[in-house]
Amino acid sequence: KNQVEQSPQSLIILEGKNCTLQCNYTVSPFSNLRWYKQDTGRGPVSLTIMTFSENTKSNGRYTATLDADTKQSSLHITASQLSDSASYICVVSHASGGSYIPTFGRGTSLIVHP
Amino acid sequence: DAGVTQSPTHLIKTRGQQVTLRCSPKSGHDTVSWYQQALGQGPQFIFQYYEEEERQRGNFPDRFSGHQFPNYSSELNVNALLLGDSALYLCASSPRWGVGQPQHFGDGTRLSIL
Repeated sequence: KNQVEQSPQSLIILEGKNCTLQCNYTVSPFSNLRWYKQDTGRGPVSLTIMTFSENTKSNGRYTATLDADTKQSSLHITASQLSDSASYICVVSHASGGSYIPTFGRGTSLIVHP
Repeated sequence: DAGVTQSPTHLIKTRGQQVTLRCSPKSGHDTVSWYQQALGQGPQFIFQYYEEEERQRGNFPDRFSGHQFPNYSSELNVNALLLGDSALYLCASSPRWGVGQPQHFGDGTRLSIL
């Protein structure tokens, strides 16, 4: 069964600090892995996307890593800001019938305090 | 350039009723996917439409059906509503062969079943 597990479930940090979110998956065959940011009451917004051959991808203060051998990914946030408070969702897609089917994690809820 | 738009933003129904949710994809996108996101959970894939046909389907009963129109917009229909159908319903669009492109999400329709 295709699964995506994220940890921690929730995280509270102080503004300016760094943090790292984890994602483990069992999706097969692997196509790509994406990290999304979802603000409360809004749809998810893509942060990064990585294919099998990529092991790191940056988007401003967000850096994602991928270890396809261990089926693990992390999202590192540098110098956190209050606006980083949101849910961060890891999504792993597998190829099926000419299309790509995503499996979503439950997300990590990040709260940044001043 | 308008992104993905969904309507209505909120909806209240009672058990047993039927509901139709609507989605207009981002300009240039021809593939539409629908997701159900229960409170505190990650989105669950319902189905994907391309060229007016359902191409992939997640683990949802036949009460959930959809349609895609020639202009690529889409509808999600749910019959015989249950209390457990209360959720945020998200629509996402993408280019058909854009495996390296992220899906663009709308802000969803919040459906409450009384």
